[in-house]
Amino acid sequence: DAGVTQSPTHLIKTRGQQVTLRCSPKSGHDTVSWYQQALGQGPQFIFQYYEEEERQRGNFPDRFSGHQFPNYSSELNVNALLLGDSALYLCASSRQGRSTDTQYFGPGTRLTVL
Amino acid sequence: GEDVEQSLFLSVREGDSSVINCTYTDSSSTYLYWYKQEPGAGLQLLTYIFSNMDMKQDQRLTVLLNKKDKHLSLRIADTQTGDSAIYFCAPFTRSARQLTFGSGTQLTVLP
Repeated sequence: DAGVTQSPTHLIKTRGQQVTLRCSPKSGHDTVSWYQQALGQGPQFIFQYYEEEERQRGNFPDRFSGHQFPNYSSELNVNALLLGDSALYLCASSRQGRSTDTQYFGPGTRLTVL
Repeated sequence: GEDVEQSLFLSVREGDSSVINCTYTDSSSTYLYWYKQEPGAGLQLLTYIFSNMDMKQDQRLTVLLNKKDKHLSLRIADTQTGDSAIYFCAPFTRSARQLTFGSGTQLTVLP
């Protein structure tokens, strides 16, 4: 049973560029949440996708956008990159209708903005 | 919104028990999770407890919940060097559909 997978593992960009990160959920899961983890901090919720729609969003600017595909995989897009966007980006998947909504995390994508 | 506080550091000797504490603010949190993060890795789910329970045991792990004081703890029995990692408690609020994390507790197990 494949867990949550993310690509790429590492990414280096320069300020002002745009980046796309990808996530495939755990088998049987239909919901994807994205989190940003700055160095030395806990993860912060960016947004959640279900049925191909963003249905909850954390305190992040519109430069952060996403998409969910019919196969439940998801992308996170960040435009106009800032130095402060350097972080580990974590994707978590879960299944609606289950009593716990337990989220399982992928290994993350390390983004460095120079 | 939810606020989560944990002690930043904890050191224990191999074979001793570790107790990691967490306080949170949102009483509507429905489930409370514990995740483990090793250097450079993602988050590994360890265990969770429903908000209507006060204790859960899972092999070497024991979770205690004091809902009145909004205090959660994770006890690891017979701590091993492989338990060295950062531990996050994360309350889940169903209405917000999100986990809220504090800064985590860095557990160091000394031989």
